[in-house]
Amino acid sequence: TQLLEQSPQFLSIQEGENLTVYCNSSSVFSSLQWYRQEPGEGPVLLVTVVTGGEVKKLKRLTFQFGDARKDSSLHITAAQPGDTGLYLCAGGTQGGSEKLVFGKGTKLTVNP
Amino acid sequence: DTGVSQDPRHKITKRGQNVTFRCDPISEHNRLYWYRQTLGQGPEFLTYFQNEAQLEKSRLLSDRFSAERPKGSFSTLEIQRTEQGDSAMYLCASSLGTSGQRHTDTQYFGPGTRLTVL
Repeated sequence: TQLLEQSPQFLSIQEGENLTVYCNSSSVFSSLQWYRQEPGEGPVLLVTVVTGGEVKKLKRLTFQFGDARKDSSLHITAAQPGDTGLYLCAGGTQGGSEKLVFGKGTKLTVNP
Repeated sequence: DTGVSQDPRHKITKRGQNVTFRCDPISEHNRLYWYRQTLGQGPEFLTYFQNEAQLEKSRLLSDRFSAERPKGSFSTLEIQRTEQGDSAMYLCASSLGTSGQRHTDTQYFGPGTRLTVL
């Protein structure tokens, strides 16, 4: 069974601080997707990374896929209250399955 | 709005009743997925369709659950004889389903249906 471990589980910071969220597994994934979810809503896609070592930037967010495609990180620079939410990583499985395996998420609160 | 839509957004039912949820994917997407999310957990895969064919089912999908996508467009998820343990957010997602890809499709999620079984 493929599992994704996210850390930290909870993170509360002040506006303007930087933070990094980690997503780790002992399994190799074909792709890694990051989502942000608001309470009572569905996950909203932030980015997809597919190549080991790939780095993608989305404004103040930087996403990295590990060289071995087993881990990923999300770094936010100068966090804002609008960044508050649940950040989920999801791994695309290999071997013909199309399902995504999700971590439990990191609940981020950015205080003004 | 051309995103994934789900109906209803909220459903409260009594134990033992049947419920049906609907999902309308992004119009050009030929793959459709169902996930379930309970409090404090990430979404868990239930099943997926390529056009009208149901190609994969999780063991979480007990015989009380059935999903259909009869014309390869919208999909329904029915739960028969609901139990309190079925209370969760049911999420639908869709993807382009580009053939020949070496990695899992990027999936776009709808707003979910929150089910509460009393």
